[in-house]
Amino acid sequence: DTGVSQNPRHKITKRGQNVTFRCDPISEHNRLYWYRQTLGQGPEFLTYFQNEAQLEKSRLLSDRFSAERPKGSFSTLEIQRTEQGDSAMYLCASSQTGPRETQYFGPGTRLLVL
Amino acid sequence: SQQGEEDPQALSIQEGENATMNCSYKTSINNLQWYRQNSGRGLVHLILIRSNEREKHSGRLRVTLDTSKKSSSLLITASRAADTASYFCATVRGVLTAGGTSYGKLTFGQGTILTVHP
Repeated sequence: DTGVSQNPRHKITKRGQNVTFRCDPISEHNRLYWYRQTLGQGPEFLTYFQNEAQLEKSRLLSDRFSAERPKGSFSTLEIQRTEQGDSAMYLCASSQTGPRETQYFGPGTRLLVL
Repeated sequence: SQQGEEDPQALSIQEGENATMNCSYKTSINNLQWYRQNSGRGLVHLILIRSNEREKHSGRLRVTLDTSKKSSSLLITASRAADTASYFCATVRGVLTAGGTSYGKLTFGQGTILTVHP
């Protein structure tokens, strides 16, 4: 399967702990995105990478959140000092620059903060 | 913030019937896309319609776009139980980043939950 993969699929943590999620995009895709989706809502944009450069961050991405994409391949999203309000599905997507650019989504990581 | 507003929020139909979902948005767009999401899973891209197109077809899907009214609709014909899912519209507009590059930013609506009863 050459789709977008995310790990772990589920994460339960206690408030105040740090968590890290990983996203492996489709191999030839140079663009990578993170979204957050809460129950009953559509995904909300968090951040965007082109290759290894993080070019845009949403105001939703507080200073407790950090994302990296070393070497322009996989990406990690870390949340420090988690809060109950961080409970959500975190989705990763990738795309290749082009005229009919389509973002392909991974299965998501569901985070529950107790 | 969510750009699109979808209606209805929930739709329940019998297998074989058609399902129509609507999406309205507020700003100018490059294109509009529809995605499907099965419960607790990732999103699957269904169809893209450009701002200069009025109608697109893909299998049992028909999408219309009216840029003057800033609205789109997704029609699923001859629905099946397997079509049960949440459907999201996403508007795409070009964004210039601080690094000087541009990309198409997706902004999703709240979605329509479709239930197709066998």
